[in-house]
Amino acid sequence: QITLKESGPTLVKPTQTLTLTCTFSGFSLSTSGVGVGWIRQPPGKALEWLALIYWNDDKRYSPSLKSRLTITKDTSKNQVVLTMTNMDPVDTATYYCALTWFGEFSFDYWGQGTLVTVSS
Amino acid sequence: QSALTQPASVSGSPGQSITISCTGTSSDVGGYNYVSWYQQHPGKAPKLMIYDVSKRPSGVSNRFSGSKSGNTASLTISGLQAEDEADYYCSSYTSSSTWVFGGGTKLTVL
Repeated sequence: QITLKESGPTLVKPTQTLTLTCTFSGFSLSTSGVGVGWIRQPPGKALEWLALIYWNDDKRYSPSLKSRLTITKDTSKNQVVLTMTNMDPVDTATYYCALTWFGEFSFDYWGQGTLVTVSS
Repeated sequence: QSALTQPASVSGSPGQSITISCTGTSSDVGGYNYVSWYQQHPGKAPKLMIYDVSKRPSGVSNRFSGSKSGNTASLTISGLQAEDEADYYCSSYTSSSTWVFGGGTKLTVL
């Protein structure tokens, strides 16, 4: 059974750095083809793709947020970590991690999401 | 990259069919057969309904179908049911090797 779960702070202050962790089971990021991505959704608004990392450490970033994002993986812990610098209130959103496969271009399984509020 | 364009809302009566459009550019929707569609109920995570324009994952009802013409992809739901009421998002792979989502469409079953 494949599961993903996001964790991290629920509240961050403006200008701080956000660190989110996606912990998964049912698959391994050491398996050829596996990828984990991050997508966010501000309250009442649309989904926005942020970043993705593949099993071979190939990393992709949203062009509009690339300067603020870093995605890494810890294969031994079955985790993917997303950091976002210089947080702003407009970054308030539910952040999701999701599973994909190299050569496929959809997100097959999603975590439940974690709401991050940016406020002083 | 700009978000894909979807109608803000569509509606239909039970048993009817509806279609949701998703318009992009030749750098995303028009350039690749990698459009996917997601259903999202309130307070829930998105669920993959269609991938690669028209393929259905195992377990998804055959009432859901997808197609594409030029820079516009479409999701059709036939035999509308109350449980289909949700938000729907399209997504496409892009020429920048990234992904882009649509603005979302709220489906109301009357």
